[in-house]
Amino acid sequence: IAGITQAPTSQILAAGRRMTLRCTQDMRHNAMYWYRQDLGLGLRLIHYSNTAGTTGKGEVPDGYSVSRANTDDFPLTLASAVPSQTSVYFCASSEGRGTEAFFGQGTRLTVV
Amino acid sequence: GDSVTQMEGPVTLSEEAFLTINCTYTATGYPSLFWYVQYPGEGLQLLLKATKADDKGSNKGFEATYRKETTSFHLEKGSVQVSDSAVYFCALYNNNDMRFGAGTRLTVKP
Repeated sequence: IAGITQAPTSQILAAGRRMTLRCTQDMRHNAMYWYRQDLGLGLRLIHYSNTAGTTGKGEVPDGYSVSRANTDDFPLTLASAVPSQTSVYFCASSEGRGTEAFFGQGTRLTVV
Repeated sequence: GDSVTQMEGPVTLSEEAFLTINCTYTATGYPSLFWYVQYPGEGLQLLLKATKADDKGSNKGFEATYRKETTSFHLEKGSVQVSDSAVYFCALYNNNDMRFGAGTRLTVKP
């Protein structure tokens, strides 16, 4: 059972470059999320999607965009990366908002 | 807005010691409360949850009771093991929004 698969596992990116972090789930969950994890700040929600075809902004959406063309995939795009976007990014899914969330292994992104 | 405050770490304990990690929250209405655990190099996993006041969540020897009067959801375990070393996150879900605390790193030494 794969659950949530994120790619890449880590990436070093030059500032100003565009980057898409991939996330795929095989649990047919309706809701999906992107969080960033920074030391001392815990996890902060970037964007979410309650169901395929819909997306919403979380706590820290600026500089990021998402799409939800189907149930399984929820890519996160940094249009023009900046050093403050250096972080560990986690994708998660749940059957519905507020139910148990299942997390991927994370993507460690360094913007230089 | 809603928020979660956890005790700052890191916490270092000897094996078989008693563990408490404090968590308090600020929220309107009746949030659901969660504890997640993150082992090294992994994503978060749900440890336990409680959905209404006075509920007790429990799993793997860990417990937490939803105390609305003190807006708290403290995590406890009577006897920790080296394998419990991880980062623990308190979280709440309310009004279509999920908020996490900053995390508390626990190290258990043999």
